[in-house]
Amino acid sequence: DAKTTQPPSMDCAEGRAANLPCNHSTISGNEYVYWYRQIHSQGPQYIIHGLKNNETNEMASLIITEDRKSSTLILPHATLRDTAVYYCIVRKPGSARQLTFGSGTQLTVLP
Amino acid sequence: KAGVTQTPRYLIKTRGQQVTLSCSPISGHRSVSWYQQTPGQGLQFLFEYFSETQRNKGNFPGRFSGRQFSNSRSEMNVSTLELGDSALYLCASSLASGRDTGELFFGEGSRLTVL
Repeated sequence: DAKTTQPPSMDCAEGRAANLPCNHSTISGNEYVYWYRQIHSQGPQYIIHGLKNNETNEMASLIITEDRKSSTLILPHATLRDTAVYYCIVRKPGSARQLTFGSGTQLTVLP
Repeated sequence: KAGVTQTPRYLIKTRGQQVTLSCSPISGHRSVSWYQQTPGQGLQFLFEYFSETQRNKGNFPGRFSGRQFSNSRSEMNVSTLELGDSALYLCASSLASGRDTGELFFGEGSRLTVL
């Protein structure tokens, strides 16, 4: 599975867009990009996933570059409740359940 | 639609004891996976069950075991507890049908403390 690289921490002002980058330069053609987040002491929460097209749901947008070597998770209007560790994972759907999280990005939304 | 339910949420055991944790997946989800999360090791995959069969297993000793019932509910058991087994144990369910694209839905976890 492709390795991902994320910045360890980011701050964002409440109400502004939070843009969380992820590098996955060794991604292969059939691997998806998944994003999860984990609020302290709670279970991880699925956010969004994509293969090569940009995706949007009620929580976030996922922008994947044309070469698929990096992606950006966008929270359009961050709130204090979005403060969490965000994890970017690259997996084939068939092995997506054999999940491990790296260190992720600690996003802190500031009032 | 109810989410993934894990019980108990918190428990304290002593070394050498055993523990059983329970997980009820989202209705209609057929796959249940278990994970161990610790501050030092992060999230680690334990095993996955589908249709009452273990489909994949992570790199954990045989003291860690699990099973899945016909209603997709799952249990995991840890025998001969060690101090290092103190962790948040997470269960996740997924559709695992032909339309499944791999997203997982997690419970709140069972926090185990071994004294």
